[in-house]
Amino acid sequence: SQQGEEDPQALSIQEGENATMNCSYKTSINNLQWYRQNSGRGLVHLILIRSNEREKHSGRLRVTLDTSKKSSSLLITASRAADTASYFCATDAKPYNTDKLIFGTGTRLQVFP
Amino acid sequence: DTEVTQTPKHLVMGMTNKKSLKCEQHMGHRAMYWYKQKAKKPPELMFVYSYEKLSINESVPSRFSPECPNSSLLNLHLHALQPEDSALYLCASSQEKTTGDGYTFGSGTRLTVV
Repeated sequence: SQQGEEDPQALSIQEGENATMNCSYKTSINNLQWYRQNSGRGLVHLILIRSNEREKHSGRLRVTLDTSKKSSSLLITASRAADTASYFCATDAKPYNTDKLIFGTGTRLQVFP
Repeated sequence: DTEVTQTPKHLVMGMTNKKSLKCEQHMGHRAMYWYKQKAKKPPELMFVYSYEKLSINESVPSRFSPECPNSSLLNLHLHALQPEDSALYLCASSQEKTTGDGYTFGSGTRLTVV
């Protein structure tokens, strides 16, 4: 199965702290994406990192990718209560059709005020 | 317009009913997708349409029937569903992965089969 595994499954922190989520996947990829999902709603695309990139930043988000270990991490700095959500990594596997985006198991983040 | 619109937001249907879920986007995206998501689980890919043609069917039961009438619309026809089909059904669209824009998701249809 291509599906990624994320850890931790759940994470609780205080506002202002940093949150780190990890994603491991099984096949070679073209790129890896991170999404956020507020409870019971649609997913929001956060960031995409290509297989030839090692690190990418977007605002308070920092994503790293280690293709040799088939793993990625998402760091949210200076977290806010509004960051409370589930976070999913998603990969499209080589050599398959790049339209096949498969989601990891997700991390539920709770940020307390 | 940078949204994917799904209707209805909520749907309750009996096991003998026929209903349809609708999805619309006006971003000119070439690919559209149906995902199914159960509570506390990741979205699972069901179907992919690329340039209005079905390109991926993830071995979905025939009681789910997708349709892409044009480049902006995607339907999911439902017939003779089972209670275990109750889930959040998400539609998404994308242009090309290389743009870095990722997928745009709708807010989903919460389906309950009784």
